[in-house]
Amino acid sequence: NAGVMQNPRHLVRRRGQEARLRCSPMKGHSHVYWYRQLPEEGLKFMVYLQKENIIDESGMPKERFSAEFPKEGPSILRIQQVVRGDSAAYFCASSLTSSEQYFGPGTRLTVT
Amino acid sequence: SQKIEQNSEALNIQEGKTATLTCNYTNYSPAYLQWYRQDPGRGPVFLLLIRENEKEKRKERLKVTFDTTLKQSLFHITASQPADSATYLCAFDMRFGAGTRLTVKP
Repeated sequence: NAGVMQNPRHLVRRRGQEARLRCSPMKGHSHVYWYRQLPEEGLKFMVYLQKENIIDESGMPKERFSAEFPKEGPSILRIQQVVRGDSAAYFCASSLTSSEQYFGPGTRLTVT
Repeated sequence: SQKIEQNSEALNIQEGKTATLTCNYTNYSPAYLQWYRQDPGRGPVFLLLIRENEKEKRKERLKVTFDTTLKQSLFHITASQPADSATYLCAFDMRFGAGTRLTVKP
């Protein structure tokens, strides 16, 4: 049973470009979470989704960031017009119920 | 606002000793708490979940306690090994503590 998959593992974008991060949850998991982690800092919750629905986006910046989890296909975290401050590791996690979460390896975004 | 805090940024102990990590929370009454391990450059790995009606939970060399009066969870690793060196995170819901970096010296 494959774990949570994220791609790309590393992404370099210039300021002003768009970044798209993908997350495929574990088989059978319908809950997906996105987190951001800056170097030497803790995980910051961004958004919680279930299939086709955003359940909690209280940690998502109001502008430039969006997330979706369509009926078919991976969950996508989209960052428009990236700025240097968006450089971070972005982790996706999935769960069967809303309890223990299984994390992917992360996408390391670098904005130049 | 709801807060979850891990008291120590770093903890250094000798191999074979018991490591004890602390997690405190405020302005919240979680139904359960979770502990995760994170190695550098990797995603967190789920270790244990303890519910509010459970005082203690064990898994191999790991033990977690949950005191709803003190609003605190303790995480113990007995007979620690250098391979236990990592950052340990406590969490409730989607809120994570900053983590405690444990180093076990041989």
